[in-house]
Parts: sequence; structure tokens; C-alpha cells
Amino acid sequence: ETGVTQSPTHLIKTRGQQVTLRCSSQSGHNTVSWYQQALGQGPQFIFQYYREEENGRGNFPPRFSGLQFPNYSSELNVNALELDDSALYLCASSLGDSGRAGYNEQFFGPGTRLTVL
Amino acid sequence: SQKIEQNSEALNIQEGKTATLTCNYTNYSPAYLQWYRQDPGRGPVFLLLIRENEKEKRKERLKVTFDTTLKQSLFHITASQPADSATYLCALVTGGFKTIFGAGTRLFVKA
Repeated sequence: ETGVTQSPTHLIKTRGQQVTLRCSSQSGHNTVSWYQQALGQGPQFIFQYYREEENGRGNFPPRFSGLQFPNYSSELNVNALELDDSALYLCASSLGDSGRAGYNEQFFGPGTRLTVL
Repeated sequence: SQKIEQNSEALNIQEGKTATLTCNYTNYSPAYLQWYRQDPGRGPVFLLLIRENEKEKRKERLKVTFDTTLKQSLFHITASQPADSATYLCALVTGGFKTIFGAGTRLFVKA
């Protein structure tokens, strides 16, 4: 059991709506990264938060935004949903050093399956 | 362009044999390379990390090699078991914060 939890597990939205996904980090971890995984593909890096600040972003438009809270839990917000946003959204926590999360093992949550109709 | 390539075809092997999975990359200079296992409907699980100045890393039945000249990593599972059947993902770590995953290779181990 990794200790990283995500909610909800499944979600169905319609095009144009907004969605908020939540992630609770493993205890003691200060860094959270969010990924989008389409069927049959590897996870695609969306962004990373270290101590409540975004410190890295992948090739995703600004309608993908996030927050990290003082307890290091995190939210991913997606505005103006599009059909292509349908995917498994994963968060991963790690213990970073100045945000260098990739240098350490990342613990993934089970993901949120988002379907956009 | 930057690419990470893993065998797109599934790998089928007999129990007890060694499974070898390949990860090739172009136009990256990763500091680290990681391997993960992913089961259907679940998040990836970290297996091994290897640094650019390391040639080989072992953990129990797992072995990873990293050749920065060939731009290739090989992932070996010795004495494979049906429980090893899963998708295996390689991931490059660049700049400390960005982890770039390959599409993964599905492994089936037959009893």
C-alpha cells in the first residue's frame, strides 16, 4: 500500500464543464506530481508542486491548473473540458530536495478515471 | 524530436526464463532512468532507479543496465513467474522535476 490516495475514483463530465481532482500525499512527502494517462500510453507529466509552489510543467494548456496545500495534499483543476481530456489522472508523491522529485522514488495513487462526453 | 521507445508488442515468455525489456531514447540527456510496473487499473509502482554514471543496478530478480552512449536501458527479470505479468514502464528524469514515461511493454509469463 503506497499511502497515496485520490478521489474520486471515477468521474463523468460533459464537454465544457470544469472538474477538480484530489490527491492526498504519502505522509512526509513534500512534492506532488500530476500525470495524464491515455489508454495504452504511458503517463504524461502535467506539472509538479513542491512546498505549495508549481516548479515544473509539461506541455499542457493553462486550463490545467493545480494547488498544493500546507499539508502537501493537492488538487488538479481542469476547465473547459474537451473530449480528449478523457483519461486516467495519476498523482505521485515523493520526498523532494528543492523540488527534484525525479531523483527519488515516486509513489503513485490509484488514479481517477475521467470520462468526458 | 525527443522520443522514448519501448517494445510496443507484448512479450510472451515461459515461466523460469529471463525476460528482457528495452527502452531507447533520442534527444534526451537524462540524469536518471527509472523502471515502473503497472497492473491494469492501478497506478505505476516504482521498481528501480539508475543514475547516468551507473552501468548496472540489481534488486533481487531484477537487473537494469543504462548505456548513455547507446541511449538505451535494458530491464531484465530472471526466473520469471506468472505474477510478473504486467506492463513495465521506463521513465527518464530530466532537470530534476520532469519525468517522461515511455508507452510501456506488456509482459506475459506463461506457467
